[in-house]
Amino acid sequence: DAMVIQNPRYQVTQFGKPVTLSCSQTLNHNVMYWYQQKSSQAPKLLFHYYDKDFNNEADTPDNFQSRRPNTSFCFLDIRSPGLGDAAMYLCATSSPGQVETQYFGPGTRLLVL
Amino acid sequence: GNSVTQMEGPVTLSEEAFLTINCTYTATGYPSLFWYVQYPGEGLQLLLKATKADDKGSNKGFEATYRKETTSFHLEKGSVQVSDSAVYFCALRETGNQFYFGTGTSLTVIP
Repeated sequence: DAMVIQNPRYQVTQFGKPVTLSCSQTLNHNVMYWYQQKSSQAPKLLFHYYDKDFNNEADTPDNFQSRRPNTSFCFLDIRSPGLGDAAMYLCATSSPGQVETQYFGPGTRLLVL
Repeated sequence: GNSVTQMEGPVTLSEEAFLTINCTYTATGYPSLFWYVQYPGEGLQLLLKATKADDKGSNKGFEATYRKETTSFHLEKGSVQVSDSAVYFCALRETGNQFYFGTGTSLTVIP
């Protein structure tokens, strides 16, 4: 089945140790998003790609970076994780030319020790 | 700017009770509106959507009607089940690729 896949599902890192989360999709969608979701809060958009065009939200910390080497893959890099970065990270895709809907992956829960 | 305001939870209902979760929005144009559901430990799943005024989205017994005059998109279900226990997010999308989410409403259905 076509889907959005996130790996790993759970990630533990140490304070200040760089970490990379990955997302892949088989939907061939142009747009990929990264959201941060803390407990009992709405998903907060960090950035999104329209093809290779990168769009950063104004309040996304510089500590968060992203790469999209091709249509299928997108990575979230956290250069120096702090305790406040512990959260669920959600990847999503959408295709502007089709249904106006986002398809979400299952998320990666990040724990910072 | 664009924003979504949801009824605060948590909401606890008995099985077979009627559910309403209120959602109102602010948008500069004519957005599409969505309800997403998030089960424990999982990502968000689209529950239903409506793309223009007076459209009704429906799925799995849930319904929501796009009301432009009241800028609302309230979620309803006539008879909830234990398996409906989850967090429900209202969202909108206007022009561009950005979605705006409400803060979510947690629903617990007890047998």
